[in-house]
Amino acid sequence: DTAVSQTPKYLVTQMGNDKSIKCEQNLGHDTMYWYKQDSKKFLKIMFSYNNKELIINETVPNRFSPKSPDKAHLNLHINSLELGDSAVYFCASSQFSGETQYFGPGTRLLVL
Amino acid sequence: QQQVKQSPQSLIVQKGGISIINCAYENTAFDYFPWYQQFPGKGPALLIAIRPDVSEKKEGRFTISFNKSAKQFSLHIMDSQPGDSATYFCAANINAGNMLTFGGGTRLMVKP
Repeated sequence: DTAVSQTPKYLVTQMGNDKSIKCEQNLGHDTMYWYKQDSKKFLKIMFSYNNKELIINETVPNRFSPKSPDKAHLNLHINSLELGDSAVYFCASSQFSGETQYFGPGTRLLVL
Repeated sequence: QQQVKQSPQSLIVQKGGISIINCAYENTAFDYFPWYQQFPGKGPALLIAIRPDVSEKKEGRFTISFNKSAKQFSLHIMDSQPGDSATYFCAANINAGNMLTFGGGTRLMVKP
């Protein structure tokens, strides 16, 4: 009965590879997000997706792309992985007009 | 450009003491200020939040103090317990439901 789930929990890969992280929420929310947490614990918003509108943080490289097959899922695709992409990636969701964002458990990505 | 600045980066408090974490923001359009709590290996979870139309909000041992003119807000944890040991993030956004801007985080350790 996990509210926001992510897979995989850990991801170790080589530079230059393409990878995806999946996110699913069963809260009936209509807005989903991706955040990146670096080694210093700093949390940065990457994307916000609400039904038909995608809001992108302008600092995010275009190697990162969110894809939403349906309202309950927002997957993160990363092309040509770089060492600096190593981080913990969190998915979150909320109602569009809601105040509380519910976070998933995170995916720990290590690029070698 | 960090729009929300948080201090201190780390804090050690004795059990039963008061923990105080401060945040300052720059964007006067921010109108929602949540605090998130993150335990190791977990995603952040909403702890308490405030809107700028009130100067204080209390929930149990947790209190937010808000100073609109100074563009500052703080989290006070009364009677701190070892179970409160976690990383705390202040955040802000414009219109609930939009992308959150997080502070840098404070790692709190409560010693028994």
